Amino acid sequence: QLVLTQSPSASASLGASVKLTCTLSSGHSSDAIAWHQQQPEKGPRYLMKLNSDGSHSKGDGIPDRFSGSSSGAERYLTISSLQSEDEADYYCQTWGTGIRVFGGGTKLTVL
Amino acid sequence: EVQLVESGGGLVQPGGSLRLSCAASGFTFSRYWMSWVRQAPGKGLEWVANIKEDGSEEYYVDSVKGRFTISRDNAKNSLYLQMDSLRAEDTAVYYCARDLKGEAYWGQGTLVTVSS
Repeated sequence: QLVLTQSPSASASLGASVKLTCTLSSGHSSDAIAWHQQQPEKGPRYLMKLNSDGSHSKGDGIPDRFSGSSSGAERYLTISSLQSEDEADYYCQTWGTGIRVFGGGTKLTVL
Repeated sequence: EVQLVESGGGLVQPGGSLRLSCAASGFTFSRYWMSWVRQAPGKGLEWVANIKEDGSEEYYVDSVKGRFTISRDNAKNSLYLQMDSLRAEDTAVYYCARDLKGEAYWGQGTLVTVSS
């Protein structure tokens, strides 16, 4: 079964960096994922597609502060030079034959 | 510029029906899978349904199978979600999304409230 696991919460200080993790279920360690951001009271926004080799392609207008990397079944989203507007929920998402699957989301607090 | 604009949400009684629409622009609609995704109050994102570019394949999350129907009209650049036998647990903001298989675009959402 295709499942994505995320930690419910994370926090980091203004100007610092943070690395969010998304773990693919067994048998899916080679799958690509996408990261989406949802700021408070807004709709989701696509950030990037992240492949198993760590290569990634970002959406329109996504700052260089956002980057992705991979290791085994884990997919990471790193945000550097944190700004207040980065406080948001971050969802990883993947796809199978016809289906789409979301992780539970990580709520990022910028201190 | 890619735009997805949902409409059709509102308040409906349990057991009732509602039809959501999504108007697409800024891209060749007929070349992309389209999805509906929902978000219950205070909860995360949940994929609801998908439809292939030509409408020949549809997929649903188990909780809506037999009650919801996704469809599209490529001539009108529009996506639809027919929701029947609505339950309180279907209360959510419903988002239209392009593809969700790599590069994605999202609409702003439409609120569906199922309550007596």
